[in-house]
Parts: sequence; C-alpha cells; structure tokens
Amino acid sequence: QQQVKQSPQSLIVQKGGISIINCAYENTAFDYFPWYQQFPGKGPALLIAIRPDVSEKKEGRFTISFNKSAKQFSLHIMDSQPGDSATYFCAASPGNEKLTFGTGTRLTIIP
Amino acid sequence: DSGVTQTPKHLITATGQRVTLRCSPRSGDLSVYWYQQSLDQGLQFLIQYYNGEERAKGNILERFSAQQFPDLHSELNLSSLELGDSALYFCASSGHGTSGRIQQFFGPGTRLTVL
Repeated sequence: QQQVKQSPQSLIVQKGGISIINCAYENTAFDYFPWYQQFPGKGPALLIAIRPDVSEKKEGRFTISFNKSAKQFSLHIMDSQPGDSATYFCAASPGNEKLTFGTGTRLTIIP
Repeated sequence: DSGVTQTPKHLITATGQRVTLRCSPRSGDLSVYWYQQSLDQGLQFLIQYYNGEERAKGNILERFSAQQFPDLHSELNLSSLELGDSALYFCASSGHGTSGRIQQFFGPGTRLTVL
C-alpha cells in the first residue's frame, strides 16, 4: 500500500521558473515530512523538512507548504536553476524514524 | 559527503548466492537504517538498528537479515539471491544536522546486480 503519493513523476521547468512537487499521505501518525534530493549515483540528501505544527517553512529558494487537514504537502523551488536538476523524494515518518518515501519526481531545469 | 560509508560500491553476483553489504554510520550516530531502491518499488525501508538492537522492521524479506556490531557498523546479509533483488541498497544513520535537528544521513549506496 502506497502511503505517500507523489506527483508529478517528471517535471520540466524553465530556468528562473517555479518548480512545484506535490505529496499526499494517509497515515495520521506521520509527524515529520522531509524532502530529499538525489543526484545520479548518489544517496538521497535532506533538502528541507517540516513538522505539522507549522503550515510553511522556507529555506533559501526552497519552501514546503503543509496542509494538515488535507494531508498534503508540497515543495516549491523558486528561481529554479540547472543545478537543481535531480530527483526529488518526499517522505513521511512518525517521529523521524523509518521513512516512507514517495515515488520520486525527476526535475529537469532547461535554460 | 554525508559521513556515512558503504562498501562495496558495486556488487555483481549470481542467483542463489549470498552477499554482505557493509555500512559505517557517522561518528556518534547510534541508529542505522537500511533502504532498498529499485525501479519498480522505489525507496523502501527495510530495517533499523539502534545501538546494536533491532528497533523497527519494514518490508524486509526473510532471506535478508541485518545486524549492528558493538562498534556500531552494520551489515545487511542477502541470501538465496533472485534477479528481483537487483537494486541500490542505502544505509542511513541519524543524528543532529547543522540545524540542530535530528535527520537521517544517507550513504552513497551499494549497487547490487544479480545475474
């Protein structure tokens, strides 16, 4: 059973544009929602994370929006750059323990 | 560089064989997690160890086992290998990041190919 649904599967954005990736979860026990960035041949690296006590968290060009009632959260990448081209995974866990990952979004930023 | 090391980087073996993947967590991290990444299943949690004890189990097959040693390194043993076990296997350890919050740090992975 897929407990974290992620969309879109792939995304092409022009340089300078906004990249938006969406995730939805089912398990109400989840209370930690990180986003990971993965480059080819590398392990996932934490990008930004949020807990359900806030609706938004911003770090530089990266923002997580969180809607607890809808059980949805999204990643926004502002002023997208070619170096942001990677695969992005949303995840969720109860108490930052075992992570349940979304299926991933392959983001390509074109000049 | 996350500080988590995994060996070997690549492993090619035949069906029915047994392999051992090794992970060294970041210095001071007591928790180790194993994940499998495959094209059809995505990234899936397998098992977690904390200071030598099994803490949580995920979608780990009975043919797979893991352990964490007193020096905190961990090994994932995969036996009776099948073609479908071909995947990237990641180890992660958890500890405080630069923000001061607990986070999981992933190693570079071991790519297993079963022929």
